[in-house]
Amino acid sequence: DAKTTQPNSMESNEEEPVHLPCNHSTISGTDYIHWYRQLPSQGPEYVIHGLTSNVNNRMASLAIAEDRKSSTLILHRATLRDAAVYYCILRDFTSGNTPLVFGKGTRLSVIA
Amino acid sequence: NAGVTQTPKFRILKIGQSMTLQCTQDMNHNYMYWYRQDPGMGLKLIYYSVGAGITDKGEVPNGYNVSRSTTEDFPLRLELAAPSQTSVYFCASSTGTGRSYNSPLHFGNGTRLTVT
Repeated sequence: DAKTTQPNSMESNEEEPVHLPCNHSTISGTDYIHWYRQLPSQGPEYVIHGLTSNVNNRMASLAIAEDRKSSTLILHRATLRDAAVYYCILRDFTSGNTPLVFGKGTRLSVIA
Repeated sequence: NAGVTQTPKFRILKIGQSMTLQCTQDMNHNYMYWYRQDPGMGLKLIYYSVGAGITDKGEVPNGYNVSRSTTEDFPLRLELAAPSQTSVYFCASSTGTGRSYNSPLHFGNGTRLTVT
């Protein structure tokens, strides 16, 4: 699986937008970009995924660079509940439901 | 739906003891996975299953065994517990039918295991 690079940690003020970057310069044409987050003392939860176009859902937005070598998860208005570790993961869609490979992710702190 | 349920939530084992971590899901998912997470690290895959009767090794399978006799259950067995197996264990499931290659994983809340 192609590798992703994320900052170890980021900080945000409550009610402000947060942009979480992810670099994946070796991404292949069949890799989807997935984001999961892990709240303290819980299992990871799915946030969003995309292939080429920007994606929106109720939790977040995913902005994908035109060359697909990077992407950004956008939380439009951070709340204290968004403090978590965020994982950016590539998943080859030709391999079926292959297990996800987790890196260390970005630890997001939200300040009240 | 309860989703993915893991039991127990916490357990302390002595070196050499054995135990089974239970995982059950009520979403009729074909795929199930076991991960472990050491402090400050990401999750590492231990074993996974694509359906009843089929299991496969992940990145760190040594010291563990699994079985998948039903769609709902995917227990993880530790035969001879070692301090290196002190970790938080997460079970997950995902659907695997049709064009569901991007179906998200649903995780349980984990079992925190300490081996002393």
